[in-house]
Amino acid sequence: AAGVIQSPRHLIKEKRETATLKCYPIPRHDTVYWYQQGPGQDPQFLISFYEKMQSDKGSIPDRFSAQQFSDYHSELNMSSLELGDSALYFCASSLRTGGPGNEQFFGPGTRLTVL
Amino acid sequence: KQEVTQIPAALSVPEGENLVLNCSFTDSAIYNLQWFRQDPGKGLTSLLLIQSSQREQTSGRLNASLDKSSGRSTLYIAASQPGDSATYLCAVDPTGGGNKLTFGTGTQLKVEL
Repeated sequence: AAGVIQSPRHLIKEKRETATLKCYPIPRHDTVYWYQQGPGQDPQFLISFYEKMQSDKGSIPDRFSAQQFSDYHSELNMSSLELGDSALYFCASSLRTGGPGNEQFFGPGTRLTVL
Repeated sequence: KQEVTQIPAALSVPEGENLVLNCSFTDSAIYNLQWFRQDPGKGLTSLLLIQSSQREQTSGRLNASLDKSSGRSTLYIAASQPGDSATYLCAVDPTGGGNKLTFGTGTQLKVEL
């Protein structure tokens, strides 16, 4: 079965650079979520989209923005990178409309390292 | 604000033992609860989802229960194997329809030969 795809899997950037993370949800899923997991921490919700509209917003810095495109893939744009942005970034997707309990399925993550 | 706690933080057991992982949450107004497994540096694998109207869910050697009124869930692993070694996370969805998951602190499980 198809899973959530994230690219790139690893990314190394310098401070103050920008980064773009991509997420391709499971086919027919209508909701995409972004989470950030710092070293030794539990995942923290950043932002979600339902049918290409922002659905909910968590602790996402103003330096970050995200969007969902017509093909349902999503991109997380991160600017003015800081050392503290180094983390594992997960994308998840779910079938909100008519899906059983809104189960979220996670991608393998993008490991971002800011030097 | 929803807070999710998992006890114990770490657990080491010999192979073959049955074990219970605990998850507690402060706000009982949840839509569902999911249990995940995470291997070091890897992604999150969904194990079980329990909707708020359900009491338990089973998948193979895993059984998860939910007591929404008391804010508790347990994950029971039967006949543990070394391959079960991982971090187990519970997460609550406060409302359905695209809202955020709040994760617990995780239980790091090691099953020894």
